[in-house]
Amino acid sequence: GENVEQHPSTLSVQEGDSAVIKCTYSDSASNYFPWYKQELGKRPQLIIDIRSNVGEKKDQRIAVTLNKTAKHFSLHITETQPEDSAVYFCAVTVQINDYKLSFGAGTTVTVRA
Amino acid sequence: NAGVTQTPKFRILKIGQSMTLQCTQDMNHNYMYWYRQDPGMGLKLIYYSVGAGITDKGEVPNGYNVSRSTTEDFPLRLELAAPSQTSVYFCASSVAGDTQYFGPGTRLTVL
Repeated sequence: GENVEQHPSTLSVQEGDSAVIKCTYSDSASNYFPWYKQELGKRPQLIIDIRSNVGEKKDQRIAVTLNKTAKHFSLHITETQPEDSAVYFCAVTVQINDYKLSFGAGTTVTVRA
Repeated sequence: NAGVTQTPKFRILKIGQSMTLQCTQDMNHNYMYWYRQDPGMGLKLIYYSVGAGITDKGEVPNGYNVSRSTTEDFPLRLELAAPSQTSVYFCASSVAGDTQYFGPGTRLTVL
């Protein structure tokens, strides 16, 4: 499957600061890039996604940027709040052939009050 | 809509036992998936299905089997459970190429 690397593995930020998580992928044909948030003991839930024909997408305090040339995409969370503390996973799929997702290993984000 | 439901929520198996994890969705999604999540790790795809009667292997299919006789149900069968299968199992469903919606998960321990 697709090789997805996610960094950092842990991230601690002060409340109100920004958090950035980066993922790199290997298959240049990849064209769908979702981000999932997983709270402790809960199921993963989609928070934002981007497709390969778009370079950036925003939803309130969350944004995702995509650099297809460099094969990486990033999640940006601004004005972090305690409820942003969770594990965040990036994923990649090549939709031309199938709709399987390859996930990164996850980033544990802790927002300090 | 209940979305994606899974049963049981928790299960402890002895080595060599078998069990079926149930997954049902009421969103009329054609695509369904089974993932496992080991502690502190991402999700690994076990099997997936693009519609009733069609299944295919994912990244880590060994030790598992699936069937898809209806659009709604996608059970995962574990034969001869091994300690390496201790994990949290998530079922998910989607419309083709769109958001995957996850069930609440089944926490399985094999002793």
